[in-house]
Amino acid sequence: GQQLNQSPQSMFIQEGEDVSMNCTSSSIFNTWLWYKQEPGEGPVLLIALYKAGELTSNGRLTAQFGITRKDSFLNISASIPSDVGIYFCAGQERRNTDKLIFGTGTRLQVFP
Amino acid sequence: NAGVTQTPKFQVLKTGQSMTLQCAQDMNHNSMYWYRQDPGMGLRLIYYSASEGTTDKGEVPNGYNVSRLNKREFSLRLESAAPSQTSVYFCASSWGRVTEAFFGQGTRLTVV
Repeated sequence: GQQLNQSPQSMFIQEGEDVSMNCTSSSIFNTWLWYKQEPGEGPVLLIALYKAGELTSNGRLTAQFGITRKDSFLNISASIPSDVGIYFCAGQERRNTDKLIFGTGTRLQVFP
Repeated sequence: NAGVTQTPKFQVLKTGQSMTLQCAQDMNHNSMYWYRQDPGMGLRLIYYSASEGTTDKGEVPNGYNVSRLNKREFSLRLESAAPSQTSVYFCASSWGRVTEAFFGQGTRLTVV
């Protein structure tokens, strides 16, 4: 089955640094979603993207829907300790919009 | 507003036992999903239901069955549990096509 390729797998950064992560697919997607998961919890939606080229912000988070419709990017500016968690991309393929597929996740650690 | 509710939160089964994981959503969503999460594997789709009365296989359906009892409820059944089914199971729901999914808090299942 298809999974999205997400990179990097993990990041260890200092508080205040900016973070970038991305997600790629071999097929075209209609929707890209970014989630954050904290220990013992379910994923929580951060940003949803619906159009190619779309750039959307949610506080210090900014995500973009790639022009090719096969990738998406998430940036976190001025990281803080509570940004710690696993970040997942997810998407709905153009050819099967009833199925939501997840990336393998980027584990973020922020040191004070 | 409860959102997506999963029961139980924790379960230990012996190999060969059966059980049903329950999921209910109160957001009037059309689509519901069951995922499993294993270390380093991200979330993998087991089954999904695009609407009441329909179900479809995801990436890893073997060993599982589902029932979309009504619009609110989507259950996952393990007929004969195996140690390989030790995982964290998440239920999610969404309006349907091209929309974001909301997750429950998960069921931590151990098969011994």
